[in-house]
Amino acid sequence: QLQLQESGPGLVKPSETLSLTCTVSGGSIGSSTYSCGWIRQPPGKGLEWIGTVYSSGSTYYNPSLRSRVTMSVDTSKNQFSLKLTSVTAADTAVYYCARPVLGGTARFDPWGQGTLVTVSS
Amino acid sequence: QSALTQPASVSGSPGQSITISCTGTSSDVGGYNYVSWYQQHPGKAPKLMIYDVSSRPSGVSNRFSGSKSGNTASLTISGLQAEDEADYYCSSYTTSGTWVFGGGTKLTVL
Repeated sequence: QLQLQESGPGLVKPSETLSLTCTVSGGSIGSSTYSCGWIRQPPGKGLEWIGTVYSSGSTYYNPSLRSRVTMSVDTSKNQFSLKLTSVTAADTAVYYCARPVLGGTARFDPWGQGTLVTVSS
Repeated sequence: QSALTQPASVSGSPGQSITISCTGTSSDVGGYNYVSWYQQHPGKAPKLMIYDVSSRPSGVSNRFSGSKSGNTASLTISGLQAEDEADYYCSSYTTSGTWVFGGGTKLTVL
């Protein structure tokens, strides 16, 4: 059964870069068409799609975050990564990775448990 | 891209039915039959409840159903149970290859 797990620093200083990793277990992302979506949720607020990186290497980003976001894939480690630069307090959120399923269908399933990132000095 | 529009809250008594709407545009909800719904309990990750407008993943109760008309999708929960109390989010794949979520709806079971 495919499982996703986010990891990374829980505290990031303003103006620095937020870096998170999504580790996939229960399957090899290098041998299939696994992809990864990143979604975040500020405390007490709704879900916001950050972007999606496909196994082909192509990426799609939320236009509001595009200038600060980079997503990549490391098949040797079965991991996807997210980098968000020049963070502010507004970037404080629980960050989720989730598998986008496409091809005659479209959904995010499954999701990781999420990791809280706080931006503060 | 703008978030899809959902009511902030809905409520119902046990056994009743409720419907949550999700309004977008012809570039997202109206563009494809790729609307999905997620249930989120406090402190938990979202869980897929409906995908492709009206399909249910294995293991999800048939009390949950989805539909769409034009740029508005809907999630209906029949036979409300206490465990259904949660936040619900709609999402749509867009014609630009991006994704968009709704603002979320808090369901209270009275």
